[in-house]
Amino acid sequence: GESVGLHLPTLSVQEGDNSIINCAYSNSASDYFIWYKQESGKGPQFIIDIRSNMDKRQGQRVTVLLNKTVKHLSLQIAATQPGDSAVYFCAENQGGKLIFGQGTELSVKP
Amino acid sequence: EAQVTQNPRYLITVTGKKLTVTCSQNMNHEYMSWYRQDPGLGLRQIYYSMNVEVTDKGDVPEGYKVSRKEKRNFPLILESPSPNQTSLYFCASRLLGAGGRDTQYFGPGTRLTVL
Repeated sequence: GESVGLHLPTLSVQEGDNSIINCAYSNSASDYFIWYKQESGKGPQFIIDIRSNMDKRQGQRVTVLLNKTVKHLSLQIAATQPGDSAVYFCAENQGGKLIFGQGTELSVKP
Repeated sequence: EAQVTQNPRYLITVTGKKLTVTCSQNMNHEYMSWYRQDPGLGLRQIYYSMNVEVTDKGDVPEGYKVSRKEKRNFPLILESPSPNQTSLYFCASRLLGAGGRDTQYFGPGTRLTVL
């Protein structure tokens, strides 16, 4: 069935290092993907998105990579900071409906 | 400040006692939605609304009702709550037609416990 999942449920990185959070999706018809950040006690917050006609998109300290061949999405965070500690979700947009992955918890060690 | 608000933030109730969780947005968004978030299951859509008086079922609508009488409000109603509806609930709103992008804003969440 359709699914959006994450390879690792938790990720621990040293402050200042780069973080890479991965996501696999199974529906090749999806044409739009989003990464959300959810801090403790808060709702998900949009980070960055990418359309399926692109393979890379950069924001401020974040980069999303899309590999349609293997149906893989990743979020790269440069120079990870303590404020980046949160759960990160990928989501797949299918005709306006979002299908979310379960999330990866990113922990930043000082 | 653009925001989605939910009330209450925390609620403990008993089986069968009707409750309503309110959601309001101040961004004049057409689209509003309710999600529940459960460990191991992620975010799942309960109901959504494309505009006033237009509502549709999401993935897990059983046991819930919604209404959209005004553009800014989208309350979630549990007529007869059961323990399996214990969850963290999020309301979200979005501007439709924003270049195909998902400019979705989430509320802060409502933690519901049904005993």
